[in-house]
Amino acid sequence: AQSVTQPDIHITVSEGASLELRCNYSYGATPYLFWYVQSPGQGLQLLLKYFSGDTLVQGIKGFEAEFKRSQSSFNLRKPSVHWSDAAEYFCAVGANTGNQFYFGTGTSLTVIP
Amino acid sequence: NAGVMQNPRHLVRRRGQEARLRCSPMKGHSHVYWYRQLPEEGLKFMVYLQKENIIDESGMPKERFSAEFPKEGPSILRIQQVVRGDSAAYFCASSLPASDTQYFGPGTRLTVL
Repeated sequence: AQSVTQPDIHITVSEGASLELRCNYSYGATPYLFWYVQSPGQGLQLLLKYFSGDTLVQGIKGFEAEFKRSQSSFNLRKPSVHWSDAAEYFCAVGANTGNQFYFGTGTSLTVIP
Repeated sequence: NAGVMQNPRHLVRRRGQEARLRCSPMKGHSHVYWYRQLPEEGLKFMVYLQKENIIDESGMPKERFSAEFPKEGPSILRIQQVVRGDSAAYFCASSLPASDTQYFGPGTRLTVL
């Protein structure tokens, strides 16, 4: 069965510190992997995506993610967090054209001064 | 190029009333997806439509919920005889044909009193 697990419900980091948000997936086919960010009361904005090729993908706002097939993981990272990064982050997995996405339950990020 | 539009952004209904949620996809996008986000949870797939066709409605509740995407006009998610458990954020996403990336709207937050 397809599923996405985000083990960390809530993470707090200091501004300027590094960040890693975990995502593990279970998917029967070759996965397409996504990270979205949701600010309070807003929709989801695509941060980055992985389909194939280089397993380290770069996204917007200085985020990157690494696909590790052996660990079924797609963790999101940022070297230096900014206060504006405080938001809810969702990992999602899908297949090829037209299939539904499966979302994790999200990780809420708090950034402290 | 405007993003995915959803209206209304907030909708309040009393139990037993009908709720109609609208979604206008991005220009050129002919695929629409509806997701529901319950409080403290991730997004759950409801239905996938192309113009005038329902492709996958495996996530739709069997009763009271329906969706359409007519040849002209927005996609509509309709909830009849709403109950308190329908209170949630409903997100629409759209994609190009033969595309694996979904772009999300800002959502409609439905509150059932």
